[in-house]
Amino acid sequence: DFHMTQSPSTLSASVGDRVTITCRGSQSFSGWLAWYQQKPGKAPKLLIYETSTLESGVPSRFSGSGSGTQFTLTISSLQPDDFATYYCQLYDTFSVTFGGGTKVEIK
Amino acid sequence: EEQLVESGGGLVQPGGSLRLSCVASGFTFTNYWMTWVRQAPGKEPEWVASIKQDGREKNYGDSVKGRFTISRDNAEDSLYLQMNSLRAEDTAVYYCAREHGDKPYYYYGMDVWGQGTTVTVSS
Repeated sequence: DFHMTQSPSTLSASVGDRVTITCRGSQSFSGWLAWYQQKPGKAPKLLIYETSTLESGVPSRFSGSGSGTQFTLTISSLQPDDFATYYCQLYDTFSVTFGGGTKVEIK
Repeated sequence: EEQLVESGGGLVQPGGSLRLSCVASGFTFTNYWMTWVRQAPGKEPEWVASIKQDGREKNYGDSVKGRFTISRDNAEDSLYLQMNSLRAEDTAVYYCAREHGDKPYYYYGMDVWGQGTTVTVSS
């Protein structure tokens, strides 16, 4: 069974920090990878799709990269509005899988 | 404004049934695959089911296959989820979402989400 592992599960950082979140697949995949941000009590919000394409309206401090089994979301300079939980999502052959999430907390 | 509004959640006993609805506005509903995603308290989102623009193709997550049925009414810009044989582990917030892409050729994620409707399965 394919599964995705996100790390770290929790991350403590300060405003202005560069933050990197990783999503690893149990095996190499060639599907479509996206990243979402979720704040408490709200629906997830699409940030990045197709591994590295920024959704319209998303600040350019967010970026995505990766291939094979490892993908990353980077926030170049953390802003107060960025404290939230982030999820990777893989689409492959009519099935969708979300990662376990990374909570970004204020240090 | 592109919008999705869910309804139909509530408290139901184990083994019971519930039907969720989602009404779309602000975009051409027939242009998109639509999907249901759920999220149990403190957990990551879990994909439940998706349906093609014309309703002829449907896909389900393993945990709901055979118990849940996704459908749509394009004349009413509405998406539905019929949930039968409900279990405690189906307790979650259920979101409907729009899928951007032409599956399986390309997939650009879930770009519009509703506010969610809460389903609680308990005796």
